[in-house]
Amino acid sequence: DAGVTQSPTHLIKTRGQQVTLRCSPKSGHDTVSWYQQALGQGPQFIFQYYEEEERQRGNFPDRFSGHQFPNYSSELNVNALLLGDSALYLCASSLALSNQPQHFGDGTRLSIL
Amino acid sequence: AQSVTQPDIHITVSEGASLELRCNYSYGATPYLFWYVQSPGQGLQLLLKYFSGDTLVQGIKGFEAEFKRSQSSFNLRKPSVHWSDAAEYFCAVGARSSNTGKLIFGQGTTLQVKP
Repeated sequence: DAGVTQSPTHLIKTRGQQVTLRCSPKSGHDTVSWYQQALGQGPQFIFQYYEEEERQRGNFPDRFSGHQFPNYSSELNVNALLLGDSALYLCASSLALSNQPQHFGDGTRLSIL
Repeated sequence: AQSVTQPDIHITVSEGASLELRCNYSYGATPYLFWYVQSPGQGLQLLLKYFSGDTLVQGIKGFEAEFKRSQSSFNLRKPSVHWSDAAEYFCAVGARSSNTGKLIFGQGTTLQVKP
């Protein structure tokens, strides 16, 4: 039973570029949440997708956008990258309306030069 | 404002010693409560969770946590630490209205284990 998988593992970009990160949820899960974890900090909630719609959003600018596909996988897009966007981006999946916690992937390490 | 505070940024214990990691939260109502562990270069692994019922919850790897409503605390404990427990530990809270809603994390506590 595959858990949450994220790709790529590492990514290096320069300021002003855009990036797309991908996430496949754990088998049986239908909800995907994205978190940003800066070095030495706890994860910060970016947004959550369910039924292909953004359901909740944290305090992140519109440069951060996402998408969920019919197979429940998800993408996180970040435009006009800033140095401060350097972080570990974590994807978590869960089953809506269930009493089960979120399961996390190993993350994508994004470095901005 | 909703927040989670982990007062101890870094803790060092000897192998075999007991451990307690502190977590205090500020939330509008009693939330769902979680402890996650993160090894270097890895994602977050769930250690245990509190939804309702018995306020002392057991988790994986011999960890337990106690929910104290009066103190808004959810401290993590382990009676005897192993070298493999060295990692980053995060306390998190989530809304009871939907367990799939956003989680609010503390800053984390780094645990170092001395041989």
